[in-house]
Amino acid sequence: DAGVIQSPRHEVTEMGQEVTLRCKPISGHDYLFWYRQTMMRGLELLIYFNNNVPIDDSGMPEDRFSAKMPNASFSTLKIQPSEPRDSAVYFCASSPGRTQYFGPGTRLLVL
Amino acid sequence: AQKITQTQPGMFVQEKEAVTLDCTYDTSDQSYGLFWYKQPSSGEMIFLIYQGSYDEQNATEGRYSLNFQKARKSANLVISASQLGDSAMYFCAMREGQRTSGSRLTFGEGTQLTVNP
Repeated sequence: DAGVIQSPRHEVTEMGQEVTLRCKPISGHDYLFWYRQTMMRGLELLIYFNNNVPIDDSGMPEDRFSAKMPNASFSTLKIQPSEPRDSAVYFCASSPGRTQYFGPGTRLLVL
Repeated sequence: AQKITQTQPGMFVQEKEAVTLDCTYDTSDQSYGLFWYKQPSSGEMIFLIYQGSYDEQNATEGRYSLNFQKARKSANLVISASQLGDSAMYFCAMREGQRTSGSRLTFGEGTQLTVNP
């Protein structure tokens, strides 16, 4: 069975550029979560969706961040414009309701 | 206030021995769930074990068991017969709210476990 798929796995970009992270959840999972992991702040929930609808986006740091889930098998997290402090590992996770299963993460470096 | 506290930044254990990783939590909800995840150096987050607040028995999954002490609000992870591949960062997490809710997880800061040969 395929797990959560994220792309790209690594992204290096320059400050001011737009960054789009992609996620394909496990088929049949109704919940999708975006997390960010940094040394300073640990693992933080950015936003989560239920049945493609955003439920809680209180963790989104600012207007530069946006997330969409146009259908049950795809979600994006966009940062525009990117800043060096956005450098982190971004995880997508999906869940059928209880346990969250994480993707491999996208390592983002903003220069 | 911290909702999940992992007081051990680093732990060392000899191969084949058991080790306990501590986790305490804070919630006023009656219904909640506790999770442990493993993050090896490769970076992925691997689900290990789950304990529901209403579960009367401690959860077990192979070599992993969860020592759940509700009154003390602790949910310690016990790894028996440690293996070199157990070396990783371990995170305790809590979900508050309804049992079947897919709501947010709050993570602790993690414990770095090193298994020595």
